[in-house]
Amino acid sequence: LAKTTQPISMDSYEGQEVNITCSHNNIATNDYITWYQQFPSQGPRFIIQGYKTKVTNEVASLFIPADRKSSTLSLPRVSLSDTAVYYCLVGGHKYGNKLVFGAGTILRVKS
Amino acid sequence: KAGVTQTPRYLIKTRGQQVTLSCSPISGHRSVSWYQQTPGQGLQFLFEYFSETQRNKGNFPGRFSGRQFSNSRSEMNVSTLELGDSALYLCASRKDRQNEKLFFGSGTQLSVL
Repeated sequence: LAKTTQPISMDSYEGQEVNITCSHNNIATNDYITWYQQFPSQGPRFIIQGYKTKVTNEVASLFIPADRKSSTLSLPRVSLSDTAVYYCLVGGHKYGNKLVFGAGTILRVKS
Repeated sequence: KAGVTQTPRYLIKTRGQQVTLSCSPISGHRSVSWYQQTPGQGLQFLFEYFSETQRNKGNFPGRFSGRQFSNSRSEMNVSTLELGDSALYLCASRKDRQNEKLFFGSGTQLSVL
């Protein structure tokens, strides 16, 4: 049973806003939702983390509805350098604290 | 603050050999986890160490093992290497096991010939 489900890939153009949604139906009460960005041959990099409602930092926003069964990562005005794989990670408290990543979403930004 | 350091960055081995990879976590971080990443396979969880004890293990054969030292540094060992073990091995540290904010190293790219 997959913990998280994301679209396999998305395409966008420079300057557009991109929204990537992650489904996590089995999220536990004390789980946080964390998003990572990964470029080829590098380790993933933390983008944003949230528990409920909305979180915003200098690079992204994270929207979490009241039932917390999904979350949306919003990247404003993407550039070519935002082309990467984006992973949604839901805390492992429900699964013996295993931090298991899903397949991720490949975002391709075109000029 | 220094990030997570993994050594070596690249490694070439032949089938049947064994290999040891090293990971130095961020200062103050007590949890170290290891991941294997192959093209098209995503990040596959290997195991996690906290306070020198293995806390969780993924679905990998016993050829994959690890350990953590008292200073939180961790090593991962793969014995009897197979061609399919060629991958990017990533180490991540976090402050404690209640926080899902992981800090990853740049990885060790292992090629098995």
